[in-house]
Amino acid sequence: GQNIDQPTEMTATEGAIVQINCTYQTSGFNGLFWYQQHAGEAPTFLSYNVLDGLEEKGRFSSFLSRSKGYSYLLLKELQMKDSASYLCAVSPGSGNTGKLIFGQGTTLQVKP
Amino acid sequence: ETGVTQSPTHLIKTRGQQVTLRCSSQSGHNTVSWYQQALGQGPQFIFQYYREEENGRGNFPPRFSGLQFPNYSSELNVNALELDDSALYLCASSGAGRGAPNVLTFGAGSRLTVL
Repeated sequence: GQNIDQPTEMTATEGAIVQINCTYQTSGFNGLFWYQQHAGEAPTFLSYNVLDGLEEKGRFSSFLSRSKGYSYLLLKELQMKDSASYLCAVSPGSGNTGKLIFGQGTTLQVKP
Repeated sequence: ETGVTQSPTHLIKTRGQQVTLRCSSQSGHNTVSWYQQALGQGPQFIFQYYREEENGRGNFPPRFSGLQFPNYSSELNVNALELDDSALYLCASSGAGRGAPNVLTFGAGSRLTVL
């Protein structure tokens, strides 16, 4: 089957660092995505990993271990605007495909 | 560069009715995917359209159907609406690259309430 797990909710303090974990079991693997979704808005792309290791993009970093079926999204220097839902998604197919399998999302609340 | 636009933004229907949701893809994108997002859940893949044909389908019944037009815009049709169809319907477009999956650009969604 296809399964992606991530915590439902997390709380962190402004200026701190938070790590959102994601584990996956899918029939195929062609990359892992992280999206950010503010309430009532469209999901927006944050990062993509297909090889093991860390991808850094400004305050956001994403890590992948394919052998462990594990990824995390690291947010540094948290700001109030980072309060949002963070969606982990796996592309299970090959080639160009719009099919992603999403986790339920992690709602992050940043407090002053 | 225009993004993905969806209409209507909100609508209310009753059980048994039919609904059509519309999506204009981002400029330069030729692939459109539709997702259903229930409250508090992640999006679930409904289907994808490429070159005006369905190109991949998730675990949704046949009463969920779609179209893609020559200008790459798309429609999602849902017949015989059920209460559980109440959700946010997201459209996403992507380019026509090969190999690695392309990044999806999502619209803000159409929120459907079925009473």
